[in-house]
Amino acid sequence: QQQVKQSPQSLIVQKGGISIINCAYENTAFDYFPWYQQFPGKGPALLIAIRPDVSEKKEGRFTISFNKSAKQFSLHIMDSQPGDSATYFCAASMRGIDWYGGSQGNLIFGKGTKLSVKP
Amino acid sequence: DAGVIQSPRHEVTEMGQEVTLRCKPISGHDYLFWYRQTMMRGLELLIYFNNNVPIDDSGMPEDRFSAKMPNASFSTLKIQPSEPRDSAVYFCASSQRRFEAFFGQGTRLTVV
Repeated sequence: QQQVKQSPQSLIVQKGGISIINCAYENTAFDYFPWYQQFPGKGPALLIAIRPDVSEKKEGRFTISFNKSAKQFSLHIMDSQPGDSATYFCAASMRGIDWYGGSQGNLIFGKGTKLSVKP
Repeated sequence: DAGVIQSPRHEVTEMGQEVTLRCKPISGHDYLFWYRQTMMRGLELLIYFNNNVPIDDSGMPEDRFSAKMPNASFSTLKIQPSEPRDSAVYFCASSQRRFEAFFGQGTRLTVV
């Protein structure tokens, strides 16, 4: 129940296309859903995050769509660029009552999606 | 701030040897995490500290693994004795909030 399932494992998209990565979770106590981006030889970096009280969050070309009833969320990358080629991880956490940490809330990561954007 | 600093970046060691990985978290962050990344298992949380105190080490795979945080600016992950199956990329991360981690560049460990 602590798992976050991510698909696809790899994705190839043409430049200018839309990249879509999907994640599903079981634990309804999760209330924070970030996406991390990892370039080769680097650590993961926070890209965008959403809370379950909204269905969509957009930051530039990156959008998170969230479906609470289906317990699914997805990352959409519009106008994909070769520079977006990286591995993307979804994650989930329980923030707890206290947004600033509290006593619970480790990040549970999906297995990652390797995105390649072809020029 | 230079971000989370890990050393060494690469480590190759022989089976049975002791390995020590080092981490300097971002100044002011009171959470520190150690993760392990492999192709098979993805990103796994090994242990995390809050205010230098180990809170949850349930992810530490075996007694061969140990972690310390003697002060707010330094942490170590030690493997003794090392085995080939310990080969992975080990990440240290820190945060002000437990769920928003800032990762270092990782240490690629190869045990031969």
